[in-house]
Order: sequence, then C-alpha cells, then structure tokens
Amino acid sequence: GENVEQHPSTLSVQEGDSAVIKCTYSDSASNYFPWYKQELGKGPQLIIDIRSNVGEKKDQRIAVTLNKTAKHFSLHITETQPEDSAVYFCAEAGNQFYFGTGTSLTVIP
Amino acid sequence: DTGVSQNPRHKITKRGQNVTFRCDPISEHNRLYWYRQTLGQGPEFLTYFQNEAQLEKSRLLSDRFSAERPKGSFSTLEIQRTEQGDSAMYLCATPRGSTDTQYFGPGTRLTVL
Repeated sequence: GENVEQHPSTLSVQEGDSAVIKCTYSDSASNYFPWYKQELGKGPQLIIDIRSNVGEKKDQRIAVTLNKTAKHFSLHITETQPEDSAVYFCAEAGNQFYFGTGTSLTVIP
Repeated sequence: DTGVSQNPRHKITKRGQNVTFRCDPISEHNRLYWYRQTLGQGPEFLTYFQNEAQLEKSRLLSDRFSAERPKGSFSTLEIQRTEQGDSAMYLCATPRGSTDTQYFGPGTRLTVL
C-alpha cells in the first residue's frame, strides 16, 4: 500500500499534444485509483478515478487506464491546454490512500 | 470548491511554539482525514476520524501531534513544541456522499522558523 511509484516527475508538452503519466503500485488488495490535480497554493482536486472492476474510464480530454495484473495505471490528457499545467498525483486506495510523488506538467503555448 | 475549508491558510511560527489548525467540512460526513504534504511529495496520511472517534494514526504522528473531532463535524490538529521539520502543508479531506473519494481542503501551510 505504501509503495506507489509515479513517472515522470516532470513533463513538458506543446499545447495540443498528449500527456501520459504512469503509476505502479504493490498492494493487490487496492481497488480504487484516483488522480488529483494540484495547482500552486491549493489542495489537490480530484479529476478522474477508476475502480478495479473496469479497465478504462474517460471524461472528455482525460482518461485513465488500469492494468490490475501488472499493477499499473495511467493518466492520459489529450489536446493539452496551458491551464492543464499543474502537479498531478496518482493514488491507490484500500483502507487508506497512498499517493505517488507527483508529476509537474507544463504545457507550453 | 470541494466544500472543505481550513484555517488558517498560512501560519508562521517560531520553533518551540504550539500551533492549532482547523478543518470544517460543509457536509458532516462521518469520516475526516488529515494529511501532511512536504515540498515535492504527495500527501502522506496522518490520521482519520469516524465521527468523533480517532480510528487510525500514522507513525508520522508523533506524540507532539494531537487531533480532535469533538462533535463529529469540524476537526482540529495541534502541534506542540514545533520543530523546523514540521514545516509542511497540512491537508484535511472528507468523502462526499456515499463514495470513498476524498475531497481536499485548501490546506494550511505551516512554516517553522
């Protein structure tokens, strides 16, 4: 539960390109995987989540995929915009939430 | 707006002083969580409440830290004899409705000089 690895730590993309952030976890009992966006000086905000009974979920430009066998899940942002620039955190949750170390995404106009 | 408010938003204190933070969720969910976030890291679990009962504490929560939720609504987190290593963002989170999803407040940024 405590070992959530997140890559990359920093990511720069041109506006309009896609961004992909990946996380791996170790606790096979985890069944809930949220993603949070955190802007400077603010608390993390939930942007999308997925439960272990599905492999993919999409919400407009944001999608999350989950591979329970391999214990990894990914965030995909398409058609990136400058306002997508922020730090993104993955988390895995069983009894507790365990967060990754974050990815600082910069979208270059 | 997640509906979770925290006060103060910023606190600067001298080493050795006591500080207290408050978390107010708009909806009185029975679960409330406290996290600590240091620069460049994700939030780390400190403790959580089910109504008034403090059910779990992280090993990060030394005996200088105490949390309360006296009426099962707002919660306070007190740090006694602050140390420079306590400098961090302290976040409060509650679920909403019947989901497990945690919604975070804006946090209290503590700086210990």
